[in-house]
This record gives sequence, structure tokens and C-alpha cells, in this order.
Amino acid sequence: EPEVTQTPSHQVTQMGQEVILRCVPISNHLYFYWYRQILGQKVEFLVSFYNNEISEKSEIFDDQFSVERPDGSNFTLKIRSTKLEDSAMYFCATQRGMANEKLFFGSGTQLSVL
Amino acid sequence: SQQGEEDPQALSIQEGENATMNCSYKTSINNLQWYRQNSGRGLVHLILIRSNEREKHSGRLRVTLDTSKKSSSLLITASRAADTASYFCATDEKYSGAGSYQLTFGKGTKLSVIP
Repeated sequence: EPEVTQTPSHQVTQMGQEVILRCVPISNHLYFYWYRQILGQKVEFLVSFYNNEISEKSEIFDDQFSVERPDGSNFTLKIRSTKLEDSAMYFCATQRGMANEKLFFGSGTQLSVL
Repeated sequence: SQQGEEDPQALSIQEGENATMNCSYKTSINNLQWYRQNSGRGLVHLILIRSNEREKHSGRLRVTLDTSKKSSSLLITASRAADTASYFCATDEKYSGAGSYQLTFGKGTKLSVIP
């Protein structure tokens, strides 16, 4: 079965630094997502992306976060100035189309902010 | 309780037994999905049940949905050690109609199947 690929699998950074998390979506999928899971807590929606623009975002997705798909393949999540509370597992997910609600998740990037 | 809350939080059973996990939600939904997560890995979609469906089967999985009680259950029959994982329900109560799904996940049920 096709897979969503995320890199890196682990990222350690200092507070205040910028990080970019990368995702390679499944090739014929149209909707892309970022979710995160703080250790021991729920998986939380961050943002959805369709047709090269954000379609929905949560209150977590503030001005420090941005997403883009610069080259038509990689889908990236940038955190401009990381905070300690940004430490979490970040999951990329993709969806084939509007009529197909199943999400395919990547294995995640574990972000640790020190 | 919050949207998409599963219970129990943890469940330990012997191989071969059935495992039942429950999920409750608060607002109206179009569909409810169950996902599985192995430790340190991503979520894998298991099954989706629509609001007009009451029961759905997929292999050893059986999902029920009771929209009057706003609850769902996931039954895994004849469990195996390889079923050990966390199981999450996810609802689409924030679906805006635009096609993208802002799924709301519960905290999950951690299932341990002892060989």
C-alpha cells in the first residue's frame, strides 16, 4: 500500500530555533494535514491544505506555524520560533479526495525542544 | 467527557479473547472512524462507519454506532498478540463541507494482548 513519508523521524532543537518538518504525500492525494500528539495526550488537528492553500486550521496553528508545498511534492510544516510546549510527535496525513474520508498517516516526526 | 472519548483507557486480555472498546462523542457527526497506533508509529485507518449505519464488519473487526446515544464500539474478535496497540476513535464533528476533515481524536484505549 502507498505510504506517507516523513522526515526526519526525530528532531532536537533549542528553544527559539526554527524547524521544518517534511512530508512526502501519497502521489494522487489531494488533501494534506498536519496533526500533533503531545506525549500521553490526544492527537490534535493543526491544519489542512488543499489546492495549494490552507483550508482549515485550529487555534494551535498560530502565527509561528506555516505550511507550504513549494515543489508540488514535499509538504512542509515550519515552526518559526519553537517553544518548549511545541515538543510533540507531528504527523502528516493525506486524503485521496473529498468523497474518501480515510486519512493515511505518516510515521511522525518526534520534535524535542530543549 | 470530551468529544471522541474512549473507554477503557487500558485493556489487557489473553490471546484468543475478544476485546471491546467504546467511544462516546457529544455533537452530531457524518462518520466515525477507528484508527490503530503501534507504539511510536503513525495511525493506521481501520474502519469507517457512517451516521446512517448501525454496524460494520471488516475481518475480525466489528464496529457499531448508536447515534441516539452518541457512542460507538469496536470489537476485535479472537485477539492476537499482534493486535497489541492503542486504538482511537475519530469523529468529524467539525466538518465544514469543504472536503478536508478536521478529525477529533480521543485519548485512545491501550490494548495489550498477552500470548
